[in-house]
Amino acid sequence: NAGVTQTPKFQVLKTGQSMTLQCAQDMNHNSMYWYRQDPGMGLRLIYYSASEGTTDKGEVPNGYNVSRLNKREFSLRLESAAPSQTSVYFCASKWATENTEAFFGQGTRLTVV
Amino acid sequence: RKEVEQDPGPFNVPEGATVAFNCTYSNSASQSFFWYRQDCRKEPKLLMSVYSSGNEDGRFTAQLNRASQYISLLIRDSKLSDSATYLCVVKRNSNSGYALNFGKGTSLLVTP
Repeated sequence: NAGVTQTPKFQVLKTGQSMTLQCAQDMNHNSMYWYRQDPGMGLRLIYYSASEGTTDKGEVPNGYNVSRLNKREFSLRLESAAPSQTSVYFCASKWATENTEAFFGQGTRLTVV
Repeated sequence: RKEVEQDPGPFNVPEGATVAFNCTYSNSASQSFFWYRQDCRKEPKLLMSVYSSGNEDGRFTAQLNRASQYISLLIRDSKLSDSATYLCVVKRNSNSGYALNFGKGTSLLVTP
């Protein structure tokens, strides 16, 4: 009963390095989301995908790209990491219909030095 | 202005107390409303949805006022295990689907 799985759980990058955060869900959900959470800032939406084949920018998309590879997987890529991208990243998924629960992965703690 | 605003707290209350959290949202096109709970260094989890008529789940009561664009959460008979951050969440329809927007959260500490 995996739900939403994020990898890796922890990562340290040097400024300028690139990496991809992986997210997969096994609940057949339509919609998937990437958030970052910083102290005092709450959860901020980076990108979301309403359905397979579509992606949309959220509140803080700069410096990130996403790919909805298939219905299960939604990846987040940092092309050139910056210290300002040090954060905890959460992936979430849900049915697109009203009042349905969003399920979150356990988060990826990323530090950029 | 952030789309969803909450008082960050912290709210420090004794066991057994009643505590209320408020949340306001700016986009009148918002369609669905939720309260999530987040424990320290964990992922958010759904506490309850918020319906127009108000709804109750045990010790928790949620209210929605669409005219004032205001959501509330009332916790009665607080338990130590209620200590967490409570996140107000608003879902808004956009051209390409639904965006879930979170408030910054309200921190609750219930003390013995």
